[in-house]
Amino acid sequence: NAGVMQNPRHLVRRRGQEARLRCSPMKGHSHVYWYRQLPEEGLKFMVYLQKENIIDESGMPKERFSAEFPKEGPSILRIQQVVRGDSAAYFCASSPGVKVAGNTIYFGEGSWLTVV
Amino acid sequence: AQTVTQSQPEMSVQEAETVTLSCTYDTSENNYYLFWYKQPPSRQMILVIRQEAYKQQNATENRFSVNFQKAAKSFSLKISDSQLGDTAMYFCAFMRNSGYALNFGKGTSLLVTP
Repeated sequence: NAGVMQNPRHLVRRRGQEARLRCSPMKGHSHVYWYRQLPEEGLKFMVYLQKENIIDESGMPKERFSAEFPKEGPSILRIQQVVRGDSAAYFCASSPGVKVAGNTIYFGEGSWLTVV
Repeated sequence: AQTVTQSQPEMSVQEAETVTLSCTYDTSENNYYLFWYKQPPSRQMILVIRQEAYKQQNATENRFSVNFQKAAKSFSLKISDSQLGDTAMYFCAFMRNSGYALNFGKGTSLLVTP
């Protein structure tokens, strides 16, 4: 699962700045998922994307957060006007398809956002 | 919504011993998938083992095996011959058969001591 590439691994932002997290899925995978892990918590689903489409963003905060997966390039999770409560680990995962490979998805190594 | 409960926040086991981590879940679905993920100090999420609910046979991966009790909605992970490298957070997760989102428990922190 090292094939899911996330960057940056660590990001520090001041309150009010923007954070952009990038994710390149495993080769051959066309489905991308973003999860957030708050301190001392399990991962929480945020959004599910396919190329140029947001399939399900039910887990994403309504304001300041957005995600995209363009036809070319990595998936981007964007957080505008960050606040201290956005400090968390953001994990990207990918799969070849919803019903392929037994629904197993593979995670990247995570991006740690610290808001100061 | 499906909920996943891991009732053991922390556990400790000596090297070479066996340890069992508990997980229960709540769902009205009949077909689904269950997973155990490991998160070592490096923080990467690593898939340990996967169980398909329609399969009665318990999944096994080397030293890792599960005890899947569908009626009781229980999915425990047994680690045999524990190694120092098994020290990590272990997360139990649920996925609907027709779904794509994983519902995670809060995790169990396992410490393997020499």
